[in-house]
Amino acid sequence: GAVVSQHPSRVICKSGTSVKIECRSLDFQATTMFWYRQFPKQSLMLMATSNEGSKATYEQGVEKDKFLINHASLTLSTLTVTSAHPEDSSFYICSARVRKGRPVADTQYFGPGTRLTVL
Amino acid sequence: AQRVTQPEKLLSVFKGAPVELKCNYSYSGSPELFWYVQYSRQRLQLLLRHISRESIKGFTADLNKGETSFHLKKPFAQEEDSAMYYCALQCGNEKLTFGTGTRLTIIP
Repeated sequence: GAVVSQHPSRVICKSGTSVKIECRSLDFQATTMFWYRQFPKQSLMLMATSNEGSKATYEQGVEKDKFLINHASLTLSTLTVTSAHPEDSSFYICSARVRKGRPVADTQYFGPGTRLTVL
Repeated sequence: AQRVTQPEKLLSVFKGAPVELKCNYSYSGSPELFWYVQYSRQRLQLLLRHISRESIKGFTADLNKGETSFHLKKPFAQEEDSAMYYCALQCGNEKLTFGTGTRLTIIP
């Protein structure tokens, strides 16, 4: 149980276009989803926290107008990279949190990631 | 601000030998600490967390608040343990802060 999917797994686009990445919790409801970015041989960097039905909370240095997050339902969050540029090329990973009573004890389940390449 | 340090980017250990992956953290409050593992071509998955005080796949980790460490240990390494290991810290605000990761290679 607790499977998270991401679509697409890989996308190549031209500079200036927008790209949407979907994150779905397949067998559970996730009130909170997280979006991370991972550069080659580096760790995961949290970009934003997405709560169902409310605005996302962005980390310092992440442009909210550049990376649009929508968490419209308890099983779906989307990340849209607007007007993508080559420097946006990266591996984007989402996670969904399963609540088990205490918030601090919750577990994050990760998606397989989306490789974005902007030409 | 919270920080997680994994000093070793690469670690190679012979099969059957003990394994220790180091993790140190910096946080002024009471932390929740986790180890995540990523096997080749697979997604990141939770290995263990300190509050559970459990052993998963033979791995254990003890939180040492005095040394601010949460080292991951296994007495006898197996080939299937080869993977990327990330130490992570969760603070009261519920965000996870990851270390830079250690790539563990088990030599047959």
